[in-house]
Amino acid sequence: RKEVEQDPGPFNVPEGATVAFNCTYSNSASQSFFWYRQDCRKEPKLLMSVYSSGNEDGRFTAQLNRASQYISLLIRDSKLSDSATYLCVVSDFSGNTPLVFGKGTRLSVIA
Amino acid sequence: EPEVTQTPSHQVTQMGQEVILRCVPISNHLYFYWYRQILGQKVEFLVSFYNNEISEKSEIFDDQFSVERPDGSNFTLKIRSTKLEDSAMYFCASSIDSSENIQYFGAGTRLSVL
Repeated sequence: RKEVEQDPGPFNVPEGATVAFNCTYSNSASQSFFWYRQDCRKEPKLLMSVYSSGNEDGRFTAQLNRASQYISLLIRDSKLSDSATYLCVVSDFSGNTPLVFGKGTRLSVIA
Repeated sequence: EPEVTQTPSHQVTQMGQEVILRCVPISNHLYFYWYRQILGQKVEFLVSFYNNEISEKSEIFDDQFSVERPDGSNFTLKIRSTKLEDSAMYFCASSIDSSENIQYFGAGTRLSVL
C-alpha cells in the first residue's frame, strides 16, 4: 500500500518565522514529488515540484532525499497568507499516474 | 489563466439517487482524473482517463461509479445509488502530459447525501 506520512501539525507561528514541514513516502518506485497547498474547503493547488537537487521558489525551499524517502518544505519569512494546509504528494513517473496525497499539515501564521 | 471548471459546486441528493458531477478540463490537456476528499481526511484517487478510456482506478471506484467523456469538452463522474458515505468533495483534475505529472484541480463539487 502506497502511503505518504506528514507531520501531524498544526503549526502556529508568528509572522516572519521560518517553518519546516517533513514528509515520508513508502513507495520506493515514486518518481514525482510535489507540495500542494489547500485552503479550507478549496481545491489543492500546486505550490512546487520537488527535485532531487532541491529547489527554491522565493521564500519556499523543497528538498528530496530518495535514499531516506523523505521530502521537506521550508517556508521563510512567513506571511499571514501562508496559512493553509500543506499537502505532500507523490506519484510514479510512468504516465498519467495517480497522485498519492498525505493528510496534510495545517499552518496558521499569526500576526 | 486556464482552469478546470466543475459543476455544480454543491449537490444535495437523497440516498439511493443517481448523481452526475461535471467537469471541463483545461482545453489542451489529455489526461483526466477524479479524486475525492471526505471531510477531515486526505485526498484519494478514484480514476484516471485517457484516450476515451479508463487508465487506472482505485478500489474505491467500484461498480457504483462510472466516467464518461460525452463530447470534446466535458468529463463526467456518475454515481449510481448514492450512499451516505459518498458524501465528500469530488475534485476533477487534468494534466497536459506525463513528463512531470503535474495535475491541475478544479474547485470541486461538494456532494451531500441525505
